Amino acid sequence: AQSVSQHNHHVILSEAASLELGCNYSYGGTVNLFWYVQYPGQHLQLLLKYFSGDPLVKGIKGFEAEFIKSKFSFNLRKPSVQWSDTAEYFCAVNPLNQAGTALIFGKGTTLSVSS
Amino acid sequence: KAGVTQTPRYLIKTRGQQVTLSCSPISGHRSVSWYQQTPGQGLQFLFEYFSETQRNKGNFPGRFSGRQFSNSRSEMNVSTLELGDSALYLCASSLLGLTDNEQFFGPGTRLTVL
Repeated sequence: AQSVSQHNHHVILSEAASLELGCNYSYGGTVNLFWYVQYPGQHLQLLLKYFSGDPLVKGIKGFEAEFIKSKFSFNLRKPSVQWSDTAEYFCAVNPLNQAGTALIFGKGTTLSVSS
Repeated sequence: KAGVTQTPRYLIKTRGQQVTLSCSPISGHRSVSWYQQTPGQGLQFLFEYFSETQRNKGNFPGRFSGRQFSNSRSEMNVSTLELGDSALYLCASSLLGLTDNEQFFGPGTRLTVL
């Protein structure tokens, strides 16, 4: 079955530390890849997406992600986190062999940033 | 412009009852998807509607159903509620339901089944 794995359930960092959240998916076909973020008390919102082209994509708030096709990975990075980055982060995949926009989500990673 | 709205925001039901949740997409958006979020299973896709037609369905029992109206508003229904149906139900809309259209999520309806 298609699945998305996020390696870390809970990550705790100090401000200015670098961040990398792992995401691997199990699907052999072509996919669109996404990272969503849910800040405390807010809706899920799109952080960045990869459809094709340059495997290094940049999103909002200084986040970037790298698609490595051979590793079925789409890891999220930020060079220097801020307290306001405290949130839950979800990796998601949309397999392109299916109709529509259904997303397969990972279980999420909770990021706690201390000031 | 207004975002995706979901009503009600909170709901408490008892086992065996049925429930209907509503989602109003962003104006002009024609695709609506529903997801269930639980601590154990995370976010799971329920179904997607586009132009009043169900385009895709996740792996949920037939007790879960939905529909979309001509104004793109969508409802989902859960019949014969079970304790395990307690969850946050999220609705997302996109402009044309294309894979490169951004999906915008609503705040969710928190359903508690007692």
